[in-house]
Amino acid sequence: NAGVTQTPKFRILKIGQSMTLQCTQDMNHNYMYWYRQDPGMGLKLIYYSVGAGITDKGEVPNGYNVSRSTTEDFPLRLELAAPSQTSVYFCASRAPGLAEQETQYFGPGTRLLVL
Amino acid sequence: TQLLEQSPQFLSIQEGENLTVYCNSSSVFSSLQWYRQEPGEGPVLLVTVVTGGEVKKLKRLTFQFGDARKDSSLHITAAQPGDTGLYLCAGDNFNKFYFGSGTKLNVKP
Repeated sequence: NAGVTQTPKFRILKIGQSMTLQCTQDMNHNYMYWYRQDPGMGLKLIYYSVGAGITDKGEVPNGYNVSRSTTEDFPLRLELAAPSQTSVYFCASRAPGLAEQETQYFGPGTRLLVL
Repeated sequence: TQLLEQSPQFLSIQEGENLTVYCNSSSVFSSLQWYRQEPGEGPVLLVTVVTGGEVKKLKRLTFQFGDARKDSSLHITAAQPGDTGLYLCAGDNFNKFYFGSGTKLNVKP
């Protein structure tokens, strides 16, 4: 199992450009999440999905969009990039079950710089 | 917004010392997780606590969930340089996770 993979690893965008951050998991997990982490800070939830075709907003959804057409893929779309979106983006997945047995698996992250 | 506050923000100690990291909130969570994150990598789950008052031990790490399920602590005994990293707590509110801002721990040999 590759786990959770994210592409690209690093990207520089100009203000106003758009891009899609890719996230794929091969563990057949129903739940998938997108977080952003600003330098020296914790993670903030952008969007999440509890299964194919179902998505919902997290804490900081403005400026982002998601889709979940398959169990494996959960792409994050940035429209009209702004410097405030400079951050490290993490994708995560988990399988629902007993809380004490659940593990949220994180990808390696995508570093995005908007200039 | 459900705010999770962690303290201290930074901690620099000598190898062999003990330390405690706190995670506090005004909100009740169904469970609380602790993660450790190393530079350039995603967080890795250390433990999940579910029951108020629960204490879990993972080798030299002891995790406690407050009776009211609003706060938690992480205690490390005899810290080692390998414990260096960013420690994050996260509260689960109906499958949405809210993270604290983290405690950056540096253990000097």
